[in-house]
Amino acid sequence: KQEVTQIPAALSVPEGENLVLNCSFTDSAIYNLQWFRQDPGKGLTSLLLIQSSQREQTSGRLNASLDKSSGRSTLYIAASQPGDSATYLCAVSEVGNKLTFGTGTQLKVEL
Amino acid sequence: DTGVSQDPRHKITKRGQNVTFRCDPISEHNRLYWYRQTLGQGPEFLTYFQNEAQLEKSRLLSDRFSAERPKGSFSTLEIQRTEQGDSAMYLCASSFPQGENTEAFFGQGTRLTVV
Repeated sequence: KQEVTQIPAALSVPEGENLVLNCSFTDSAIYNLQWFRQDPGKGLTSLLLIQSSQREQTSGRLNASLDKSSGRSTLYIAASQPGDSATYLCAVSEVGNKLTFGTGTQLKVEL
Repeated sequence: DTGVSQDPRHKITKRGQNVTFRCDPISEHNRLYWYRQTLGQGPEFLTYFQNEAQLEKSRLLSDRFSAERPKGSFSTLEIQRTEQGDSAMYLCASSFPQGENTEAFFGQGTRLTVV
């Protein structure tokens, strides 16, 4: 059974800092990995999708990498802003493209 | 294209009552998924449809839960005889798999509180 772990569970940083969120998964037979953002009480917003054949994806200040063989992904956020405060979830896609999620990293960016 | 839409956004119900949620996926997305998320946890898969066919159900989906997608467009999730343990955010997602690109798009969720 696939298990997804995210470290750290919570993170508080000053504005402007670069940061890295980690995601690991136990079964490397995935189709893709997706990073999401979730604001309190809201749904999920897709940030980046990395296909299993790719190593990384970039969107603006976000960069996500994937090392399928070691079961790891990182989400790099450059020059963090208070508006980045949210919970970040990673999810791996398997048969049927259903997603298995980690428990998330709760990020707070302080002024 | 207005994204994935879920209705209602919030539902408070008494234990033992039945509730029904609706999800309208992104038009032309042939796959539709239901997930449940409890506080402090990531979403957990419940079931999914390809067009009108329900292809998989999680063991989390007890006999009190039923989902339909009658015309391959919108979907409903019904919970019968609700219990306090059913209190959660119910999330719907849709996708249109094209090769390896299977990006899932989520709705805003329905927050269920059973009192």
